[in-house]
Amino acid sequence: AQKVTQAQTEISVVEKEDVTLDCVYETRDTTYYLFWYKQPPSGELVFLIRRNSFDEQNEISGRYSWNFQKSTSSFNFTITASQVVDSAVYFCALSEAYAGGTSYGKLTFGQGTILTVHP
Amino acid sequence: DTGVSQDPRHKITKRGQNVTFRCDPISEHNRLYWYRQTLGQGPEFLTYFQNEAQLEKSRLLSDRFSAERPKGSFSTLEIQRTEQGDSAMYLCASSLRPDSYEQYFGPGTRLTVT
Repeated sequence: AQKVTQAQTEISVVEKEDVTLDCVYETRDTTYYLFWYKQPPSGELVFLIRRNSFDEQNEISGRYSWNFQKSTSSFNFTITASQVVDSAVYFCALSEAYAGGTSYGKLTFGQGTILTVHP
Repeated sequence: DTGVSQDPRHKITKRGQNVTFRCDPISEHNRLYWYRQTLGQGPEFLTYFQNEAQLEKSRLLSDRFSAERPKGSFSTLEIQRTEQGDSAMYLCASSLRPDSYEQYFGPGTRLTVT
């Protein structure tokens, strides 16, 4: 069975600090996808990134960066120079890769990390 | 291109009543998912449609729950004889197969059972 663990329940930082959100996953599949979603106070989940299990290259998008390490089954998310607008709940999620009818891409989510950025 | 829409956004009902929620996916997205999110938790998968076919159901989907997707467009989720434990946010998501695995979520329907 798949499992995603986000050990940090809540993180509080002051604006402009860097913050890293941890994500550890478990799966027996050799091919899978990892995701990060943001859920602001409005409630709608916003897609941030998808990673293929075969691609361990780190990715940077503006102030966001992701570190995928297959050896430790981790997919951590760093926000550089945090801003108040980054305050939200962040979810890490895992899905099996579509395998010709045996997998339908359902997401298994972690419990979420509440990030509060203070001005 | 509009996003995923859900209706209603909020629903308050008394225990024992039936409720129905609607989800309109992004046009041309033939994959549709329903999830349930309780307070302080991540969303949990309920069921999946590929076009009009319901291909996967979670054990969370008890006999009181039924979902449909007629004609492979919008979807409905019905809960019969609601219980207080059904209080949650019900999320709908859609994605375009087979090349895209990102799921795009709607704003959710928050159900409160009193």
